[in-house]
Amino acid sequence: GENVEQHPSTLSVQEGDSAVIKCTYSDSASNYFPWYKQELGKRPQLIIDIRSNVGEKKDQRIAVTLNKTAKHFSLHITETQPEDSAVYFCAASIRGYSTLTFGKGTMLLVSP
Amino acid sequence: EPEVTQTPSHQVTQMGQEVILRCVPISNHLYFYWYRQILGQKVEFLVSFYNNEISEKSEIFDDQFSVERPDGSNFTLKIRSTKLEDSAMYFCASSERGGDTEAFFGQGTRLTVV
Repeated sequence: GENVEQHPSTLSVQEGDSAVIKCTYSDSASNYFPWYKQELGKRPQLIIDIRSNVGEKKDQRIAVTLNKTAKHFSLHITETQPEDSAVYFCAASIRGYSTLTFGKGTMLLVSP
Repeated sequence: EPEVTQTPSHQVTQMGQEVILRCVPISNHLYFYWYRQILGQKVEFLVSFYNNEISEKSEIFDDQFSVERPDGSNFTLKIRSTKLEDSAMYFCASSERGGDTEAFFGQGTRLTVV
């Protein structure tokens, strides 16, 4: 089955800095890669996703890149703000299946 | 905005008891899921449900677990004979289609087995 590794487990940045979270996956048949943000005590919410037919996707301050050859994908947050502080999870889904395999999560702390 | 709702938010049960966790998926969604997250660990897939039957399940989802859609709105997870290691946050999710479509998560039910 799929295995997703996520790094780092914690990330502290100053407000305005960029943050990068990296994930690797094991199954080359994976074709869908969402990123979820979970604030303390709240539900995971999708912030951006990417499918295997593209290499990069951007939505305002958030971008995701995908390298299918290396089987890794990354979340980039620019101009971080304190409200970006949360746990971020990457996930992968194998083509033809609806199951999401999650990484362990990254706790992002943005200091004012 | 439509949401997946779960009840209860917190459930405490004695070891060996049965619990039922309830979820109301988003109304036009066809795929339903249960995931769990043991404290400090990753979110793990348990089961997916489509067209009134289980479509996928993980090795975690053994005979202790069952799912049901008893009516047109609820989706339940039953855990029989609970064990201490079943203590976790259980998330329900739903998606409009399977595969590469967004899964919307509920806020979770924290299950504590004592």
